[in-house]
Amino acid sequence: QAQLVQSGAEVKEPGASVKVSCRASGYSFTTYGLHWVRQAPGQGLEWMGWIRADSGNTQYSQKFQDRVTITRDRSASTTYMELSRLRSEDTAIYYCMRPRCTTCYADIDSWGQGTLVTVSS
Amino acid sequence: QTAVTQEPSLTVSPGGTVTLTCASSTGTVTSSYYPNWFQQRPGQAPRALIYDTSNKHSWTPARFSGSLLGGKAALTLSGVQPEDEADYHCLLYYGGAVIFGGGTKLTVL
Repeated sequence: QAQLVQSGAEVKEPGASVKVSCRASGYSFTTYGLHWVRQAPGQGLEWMGWIRADSGNTQYSQKFQDRVTITRDRSASTTYMELSRLRSEDTAIYYCMRPRCTTCYADIDSWGQGTLVTVSS
Repeated sequence: QTAVTQEPSLTVSPGGTVTLTCASSTGTVTSSYYPNWFQQRPGQAPRALIYDTSNKHSWTPARFSGSLLGGKAALTLSGVQPEDEADYHCLLYYGGAVIFGGGTKLTVL
């Protein structure tokens, strides 16, 4: 059973950057891609982007294209999401989620536990 | 900008049946949108229920079913239990991008 464990809560000032990690276990890391999603307080889910763990190729939401960078470290079975130029509206829980099969993209079966990022001066 | 729309809230009685829908601003939702459904209880991460329109995960209770209905993706709960009270999110695939609906808050009363 796939398990995704995310890094701990972060508090950042406006204008700073944050880097959240998602460590995978229970499956072959390089054979599955991974998505990043966020949820602002009391709001719905919002897709941010995707990375292929084998090639490192990425796909980003147009909304976050100029501020988000998703990378991976194959040796650590870990994926990272970095969001720059933070503003108060970026306060949210950030999740990683994994497709259910190696050739899948949108069919999801596993989620990380979430990482709360608070942006405040 | 493409939008995915869900009912903001629904109420159902225990033992009853309720259908949640997921519409696309681009038109009719088909299986090519790979509709997924997720359940989220307060303070928890989402949990996958349905993928690729109607397929259940091994942990999905039998009372949950997915379908296409009237040009939308649909999630039907039959024989609703109190523990089904939660937020439900749909996801649609748009050729490389993924868009979630705003979520439906389901109250069991």
